[in-house]
Amino acid sequence: AQSVTQLGSHVSVSEGALVLLRCNYSSSVPPYLFWYVQYPNQGLQLLLKYTTGATLVKGINGFEAEFKKSETSFHLTKPSAHMSDAAEYFCAVVNSGAGSYQLTFGKGTKLSVIP
Amino acid sequence: SAVISQKPSRDICQRGTSLTIQCQVDSQVTMMFWYRQQPGQSLTLIATANQGSEATYESGFVIDKFPISRPNLTFSTLTVSNMSPEDSSIYLCSVAPGAGGYTFGSGTRLTVV
Repeated sequence: AQSVTQLGSHVSVSEGALVLLRCNYSSSVPPYLFWYVQYPNQGLQLLLKYTTGATLVKGINGFEAEFKKSETSFHLTKPSAHMSDAAEYFCAVVNSGAGSYQLTFGKGTKLSVIP
Repeated sequence: SAVISQKPSRDICQRGTSLTIQCQVDSQVTMMFWYRQQPGQSLTLIATANQGSEATYESGFVIDKFPISRPNLTFSTLTVSNMSPEDSSIYLCSVAPGAGGYTFGSGTRLTVV
């Protein structure tokens, strides 16, 4: 069974500082990996995804993530935090095996940006 | 990517009543998913809905409590039946367009009083 672990339920950074949100996964087959963002009282918005190919994935709003198979990680980064980045972030995985399309989510990391 | 219209966006309901949530997709999709997000929690899959077949429910969720309809490839409903305050959550539908980039509706924020 696949699973996702997000280290840190709450991360605080200063405006302009590096954002690093950690995600580790377990999967028996090559995974598809996703990061979603949820702003207060809103649904989920896809930030970026990794399916195949280049392991460094660039997403919207200046975010990027790197798939590291040896570390089973897919950490999300942004060089410089902006106040508008304050939100909750979810890492998710789906197995690429045939017939398996179910997304499994991590518990989420709430990002606070301090002025 | 697909665009999903989900409604209602929020509702306050009396315990013991039922609420039906609708999701309309702007393109045909094979699989639709329904999730629950309890306050301060992550998303939990309720069921997978394929057109033309019964929905597949995850452990802990039953059809009598969460009946789902999937009459065509662009529409689905989830009903939360005989509600109690414990059902207060955000309910989201999602579609799987194939290789990734699952799209979510904007969610229904349900409060049961």
